[in-house]
Amino acid sequence: AQSVAQPEDQVNVAEGNPLTVKCTYSVSGNPYLFWYVQYPNRGLQFLLKYITGDNLVKGSYGFEAEFNKSQTSFHLKKPSALVSDSALYFCAVRVTSGGSYIPTFGRGTSLIVHP
Amino acid sequence: EPEVTQTPSHQVTQMGQEVILRCVPISNHLYFYWYRQILGQKVEFLVSFYNNEISEKSEIFDDQFSVERPDGSNFTLKIRSTKLEDSAMYFCASTRQLGESGEQYFGPGTRLTVT
Repeated sequence: AQSVAQPEDQVNVAEGNPLTVKCTYSVSGNPYLFWYVQYPNRGLQFLLKYITGDNLVKGSYGFEAEFNKSQTSFHLKKPSALVSDSALYFCAVRVTSGGSYIPTFGRGTSLIVHP
Repeated sequence: EPEVTQTPSHQVTQMGQEVILRCVPISNHLYFYWYRQILGQKVEFLVSFYNNEISEKSEIFDDQFSVERPDGSNFTLKIRSTKLEDSAMYFCASTRQLGESGEQYFGPGTRLTVT
């Protein structure tokens, strides 16, 4: 079985400061990992993914995430937060082969960026 | 940019009533999904649909649920006899292909309230 943990319900950061939203996963085999963002009254929107290769993945809006196999983590980061980054962030995982193509999502982390 | 749309945005129904939630996936996408999110909890997979049949379904997707693609554009989720615990946000998603990329495009969701 595959699972995702987002240990923080909410992350608060001041505008201009770096932000990190944490995600750890559990999967049998190699993972595909995803980050999605949800703005109010909108659907989940794809941000970035890790498939293979470079452990540092760059995505939309200046976000990046680092795949760490030994720590089974895929934390989302941004060097300088914007107020407009305030939203709900979801991490998701699925196996690369031999299993379901359906990703498992975390509970989501609310990011609040203060002016 | 093409979007997945869902109607209605909010549905209130009485316990035991049937509801139909509607989705219009992105036009050239081939794989369709329904997820739900109970307030404060994880995004949970319900069902995936391809080539006019269910590909995968979760334990949540019992006999009370059904999906249909009645025409070339709509994708519906029907709950035959709603229960209080069906109250949740229901998200529709689609992908163009099932392979490695796998990122999904989500609609804005329908909030279902069962009273």
